[in-house]
Amino acid sequence: DAGVIQSPRHEVTEMGQEVTLRCKPISGHDYLFWYRQTMMRGLELLIYFNNNVPIDDSGMPEDRFSAKMPNASFSTLKIQPSEPRDSAVYFCASRGQNTGELFFGEGSRLTVL
Amino acid sequence: SQQGEEDPQALSIQEGENATMNCSYKTSINNLQWYRQNSGRGLVHLILIRSNEREKHSGRLRVTLDTSKKSSSLLITASRAADTASYFCATDKTGANNLFFGTGTRLTVIP
Repeated sequence: DAGVIQSPRHEVTEMGQEVTLRCKPISGHDYLFWYRQTMMRGLELLIYFNNNVPIDDSGMPEDRFSAKMPNASFSTLKIQPSEPRDSAVYFCASRGQNTGELFFGEGSRLTVL
Repeated sequence: SQQGEEDPQALSIQEGENATMNCSYKTSINNLQWYRQNSGRGLVHLILIRSNEREKHSGRLRVTLDTSKKSSSLLITASRAADTASYFCATDKTGANNLFFGTGTRLTVIP
């Protein structure tokens, strides 16, 4: 397996633009997590899915953020409209049903100018 | 917040020395995990210790857990320059499936 795959790896956009980050979890994993990492706030859990269903989105900072998982092999995190304070590295991670270990993607580094 | 706190925030040692990092957390947990992150990369799982375990070993890693003090430590023995990275503890609250990460310890191993 290629591991968790995220795209794009880097994105630079201007304030007000829509940003879509994508994630392909490891095949067979039932859980998918979106995290955001900044120097100031560390790693923040934004939302997680179990069997494609959002379970806890209490970490989503604002209504500008939305996440979907239309099927077991794909998830998106969308920011609309984007703001400079959204600049961060966004990580997707997945795990199996009976294990605690998370497998992380390499992250999407977002810069909003 | 259930987020853990690592101590120290940064640690610099000579190659061959041992490195000890500590983690404190706030609520009852199922498991505690340690992860490593190289600069510009994703996190990689190192070791998981369950709440009913007190110590666990994996290669040069030794993890302890004290649930009465809500704390854990990660010991890396005979450190190598390649161990240079940030190390995070992560906890999952009893009855929950989400994992919360601490603030991390930045380890630098000088060759």
